Amino acid sequence: AQSVSQHNHHVILSEAASLELGCNYSYGGTVNLFWYVQYPGQHLQLLLKYFSGDPLVKGIKGFEAEFIKSKFSFNLRKPSVQWSDTAEYFCAVTARTSGTYKYIFGTGTRLKVLA
Amino acid sequence: GAVVSQHPSWVICKSGTSVKIECRSLDFQATTMFWYRQFPKQSLMLMATSNEGSKATYEQGVEKDKFLINHASLTLSTLTVTSAHPEDSSFYICSARAPVGGSYEQYFGPGTRLTVT
Repeated sequence: AQSVSQHNHHVILSEAASLELGCNYSYGGTVNLFWYVQYPGQHLQLLLKYFSGDPLVKGIKGFEAEFIKSKFSFNLRKPSVQWSDTAEYFCAVTARTSGTYKYIFGTGTRLKVLA
Repeated sequence: GAVVSQHPSWVICKSGTSVKIECRSLDFQATTMFWYRQFPKQSLMLMATSNEGSKATYEQGVEKDKFLINHASLTLSTLTVTSAHPEDSSFYICSARAPVGGSYEQYFGPGTRLTVT
C-alpha cells in the first residue's frame, strides 16, 4: 500500500536558522508530490508541487523541495526561517488507485520558530 | 487559483442529530471531490471520494450509512453525519479535484469543525 512518512514530528528552530523537513513515500508508479502548510486556525495551503521536469522545485515564501527519485524522497527546505513560518507542514503524494487519483498525506511536521 | 468553500465553518449539535456539511467549488467544475477528517494534531485521513452523479467510494473503516455523501452537481458535494455521537467531533475538510497541466490537483476547503455534545 502507498504511504508517506514524515520523520520529524516536531521541529523547533530559531529565526534565521535553516530548515529541512524530510518526506519519503512508498509507491512504485508515477507520483505527483506536494507540500502543504496549515497555519494555526487556517486551512491547507499549497506551498509547492512537483509533477515532472526539474526535480528542484521552488514554491511560495522562499520554500523549495527536491525530488530524489532513487530515494523516494521529497524534502522541504528553506534557508532562513521566520517566526511567521510557525505552522504544520504536510507532505502529500498522489497515486493512481482504483482508477482515480488519491492524495496520501504524511502525518505532518509541526514547526515552531522562536523569535 | 481555484477556490473551494465549505459551509458551515463550525457547527455544534446534540448527540443523535444529523448534520449536513456543504462543499462547493466556486470557480471551476469538479467531477470528483474528496472528504477528509482531521483529528487534533494528526494528519488528514481520507474518508471517501465523491463522484458527480454516482455513488461515493468509501475508505476502509468508514461507515457509509453514517457518513452520507451526495455529489448532485459539478460544484456541490455534501457530507451528512447521521445520528452524530461525541466521537464524531472532528475537523472535516473537503477538496475538489481540477485538471492541471495534464494531471490533477486538489484544492482544499477551509474545513468544518463539528462538535457533538
